[in-house]
Amino acid sequence: DIQMTQSPSTLSASVGDRVTITCRASQSISSWLAWYQQKPGKVPKLLIYKASSLESGVPSRFSGSGSGTEFTLTISSLQPDDFATYYCQQYYSYSWTFGQGTKVEIK
Amino acid sequence: EVQLLESGGGVGQPGGSLRLSCGASGFTFSSYAMSWVRQAPGKGLEWVSTITGGGSTAYYADSVKGRFSISRDNSKNTLFLQMYSLRDEDTAVYYCAKNRGADVHFDYWGQGTLVTVS
Repeated sequence: DIQMTQSPSTLSASVGDRVTITCRASQSISSWLAWYQQKPGKVPKLLIYKASSLESGVPSRFSGSGSGTEFTLTISSLQPDDFATYYCQQYYSYSWTFGQGTKVEIK
Repeated sequence: EVQLLESGGGVGQPGGSLRLSCGASGFTFSSYAMSWVRQAPGKGLEWVSTITGGGSTAYYADSVKGRFSISRDNSKNTLFLQMYSLRDEDTAVYYCAKNRGADVHFDYWGQGTLVTVS
């Protein structure tokens, strides 16, 4: 099974900060990676798919990059609505695995 | 508007069974693979199972293989998850999710239904 490791597990940041979350796969997954945002008590929301494609309706301050085994989610200027937990997910060869999540907290 | 509505959650005994349902609307249900994803209290997301649009092929996480069975009724736009041999670690909110394609990411999620094994 493909394992996904996110870092950091928790991130403290201020409004306006540039934030980067890393996700590493245990083997190459090409660009088959998605990012989701989840707020407490809410349903996960798709942000990015195929590593760097922005889902419709998602603000352009979110961006994704990477391929193979290393990927990043970047929030260019953190907004109050962005404090949440972020998950990466690989979908390679009819197998789906999530990272453990990164909680973005208010500093 | 895509809508997914889960039902069937509740309390199940260890070793027992439960059946979850997910009613879908707002898209051509039979054209899309569908999945179940769960989240234990205070924990992260875990993929459980996926079924292709026609229902001919199913995929399972190792943690549920041989115990859970995914199925669908395309005439009723409904997805199911039959859970057998329940374990304490199956306690979670179970989300129904629509796959954008057969083997890709999930673009819509239901509100979830809580399963408690106790």
